[in-house]
Amino acid sequence: AQRVTQPEKLLSVFKGAPVELKCNYSYSGSPELFWYVQYSRQRLQLLLRHISRESIKGFTADLNKGETSFHLKKPFAQEEDSAMYYCALRETSGSRLTFGEGTQLTVNP
Amino acid sequence: EPEVTQTPSHQVTQMGQEVILRCVPISNHLYFYWYRQILGQKVEFLVSFYNNEISEKSEIFDDQFSVERPDGSNFTLKIRSTKLEDSAMYFCASRGTGGREKLFFGSGTQLSVL
Repeated sequence: AQRVTQPEKLLSVFKGAPVELKCNYSYSGSPELFWYVQYSRQRLQLLLRHISRESIKGFTADLNKGETSFHLKKPFAQEEDSAMYYCALRETSGSRLTFGEGTQLTVNP
Repeated sequence: EPEVTQTPSHQVTQMGQEVILRCVPISNHLYFYWYRQILGQKVEFLVSFYNNEISEKSEIFDDQFSVERPDGSNFTLKIRSTKLEDSAMYFCASRGTGGREKLFFGSGTQLSVL
């Protein structure tokens, strides 16, 4: 069965510092990987997905099939990036999402 | 941007009571989902619904749960006889018809079973 692991429950950095939120997955096929963000008291929002190869709000994530990882990175963190971040996997188009446990990112001034 | 709407935002019920959680998906979406998140745990898939029937469900979605699209706009999750362990945040989500369409989540209903 597929599984998503986010090893850090809490991550705290200072404004302007680089940030990396780790995500590892286990799945034998070719999954789709996503990052969702949940700002305080707001809904889950799609941040980015690996098929788009885009940068959203300065965040990027590269799918590394060899290491089965999809780490989220930003070179210079901002206070408004403070939020809960969830990595998620989808086996095939349209099927269920499997979420990681989430990482609470706090960016300190 | 269009939004998925969920009501109520908070629901408190007694154990053994039935609850209905309501969702209004985005109007032209055809795929609907329920997820839940128990406090301190990960977001878990419950069920997906398409063309007026369940297309996929998890092991959590047992006989106590049911989903319905009673009219053209609402999508409901019913829990027949609530248990303490049903206390969680329940998220509705919807997406369009393309296999890689973005999934839109509602803001959730916090269910507390006493």
